Amino acid sequence: SSELTQDPAVSVALGQTVRITCQGDSLRSYYATWYQQKPGQAPVLVMYGKNNRPSGIPDRFSGSSSGNTASLTITGAQAEDEADYYCNSRDSSHLVFGGGTKLTVL
Amino acid sequence: QVQLVESGGGVVQPGGSLRLSCAASGFTFSSYGMHWVRQAPGKGLEWVAFIRYDGSNKYYADSVKGRFTISRDNSKNTLYLQMISLRAEDTAVYYCAKDKDQQLPSLVDYWGQGTLVTVSS
Repeated sequence: SSELTQDPAVSVALGQTVRITCQGDSLRSYYATWYQQKPGQAPVLVMYGKNNRPSGIPDRFSGSSSGNTASLTITGAQAEDEADYYCNSRDSSHLVFGGGTKLTVL
Repeated sequence: QVQLVESGGGVVQPGGSLRLSCAASGFTFSSYGMHWVRQAPGKGLEWVAFIRYDGSNKYYADSVKGRFTISRDNSKNTLYLQMISLRAEDTAVYYCAKDKDQQLPSLVDYWGQGTLVTVSS
């Protein structure tokens, strides 16, 4: 099965913009889905499809995709955005997850 | 609101068996595909298995194929994961998760809080 690659760690200054990326062959065929996970909690869906936010997710979160790379952008990062972020996508009859990106808000 | 409540985790010896359950509420359980996803301590998420809304098709990660069986009882709104021949590397929090679609793994839109399985002698 294919793999999804994420940077292990990214940092951003409070109020600035950060982009978290995800690369993989499956992203040429399927949109990425993004999850936020805070310590000791279950993951939460934050972005799916072309650029869709579930109800309750702030509009500072946006998604984009080009070729084999998907991105989750946080415009004006807040302290509460500090978390692990995972991308995933379909891969035929499976789901595949990226290794996760730890976002630190400075 | 959607609720997924896992149970059945615990400590089991290598080679042992365990069955996890997930009680679903707040949505029409029989209309959606369901997943199990796990997370080893300090590690990332790993997809484990998916079952179609009607239970007719099941898909597994290579790492658990032949050892784990996903099933569902739509009359009880409950998802199951039967695990046999457990290994130390199966130690993880196991999450029950709802898919947005019916028939094939698509995307997870809701997660349970997870149940911890520890495989250790």
